[in-house]
Amino acid sequence: QLLESGGGLVQPGGSLRLSCAASGFTFSTSAMSWVRQTPGKGLEWVSAISSSGGNTYFADSVKGRFTISRDNSKNTLYLQMNSLRVEDTAVYHCAKELRIGSPGTVGFDLWGQGTMVTVSS
Amino acid sequence: IVLAQSPGTLSLSPGERATLSCRASQSVSSSYLAWYQQKPGQAPRLLMYGVSSRATGIPDRFSGSGSGTDFTLTISRLEPEDFAVYYCQQHGSSGWTFGQGTKVEIK
Repeated sequence: QLLESGGGLVQPGGSLRLSCAASGFTFSTSAMSWVRQTPGKGLEWVSAISSSGGNTYFADSVKGRFTISRDNSKNTLYLQMNSLRVEDTAVYHCAKELRIGSPGTVGFDLWGQGTMVTVSS
Repeated sequence: IVLAQSPGTLSLSPGERATLSCRASQSVSSSYLAWYQQKPGQAPRLLMYGVSSRATGIPDRFSGSGSGTDFTLTISRLEPEDFAVYYCQQHGSSGWTFGQGTKVEIK
C-alpha cells in the first residue's frame, strides 16, 4: 500500500514536503509518480521518478518549483514543493507505475488515498 | 494531448451495457492508453492498460477498444459496484494526461 503524509495549509510562496510510505511490494524496483486531483481540474500528473532515482520528470506547471526524490532504504517517496501557488491546491496522490516490457510504464497500478494541500492566505 | 471524455454523465440501470468514449486531440500510442475507475472517497483504480489489457483482478465485463484518437471502455453488464467515475489516461511527450471523467450513475 501507499500512505501519503505532509499535506496542510500553506501561504502562497511557501513550501511543503510530502512523503509517501510504501509497503507490500518491492519499492526499490518500482518507478513512482505524484498525481494531484481537484474537483475543478480533475486528475493531473505532477512528477515521476525512476526506480533508482536517477531520472526525474515534471509537468510544465510545476517545473522549477517542485522536486521529486526517493529513499529506497526507507521505502519512501518525497515531493518537495516550493514557491507554492493557489492553483497548487489539491489532493496529492502517490502512485506506483506499472511497467510492461518494451513500452515501459503503461499506467499506475497502485495509488495512495492522498494528502490535501491547501495554498491560501 | 487533450483527452475529451463523453458523455459527462451516463445514467443506466444495473444489468445494462455502458459505453464510455475517450477522444484525443492527437493520435495516441495504443501502448499508453489506460482507464481508471474512482469511487467517492477512494483513490483511482487501474482498469485497463494498453487499450485492451485488463489490470490484475479486473472482471471480464470490462473491455477496451480503439486506436489513434478514439477509444472506448465498455462495461457489458453493469453491476452495483460499477457505478463510479471513469477516467482515461494517455502518455505523451509532455508526460501523462487524463480525461475529465465520465460519471456512471444509477438511473
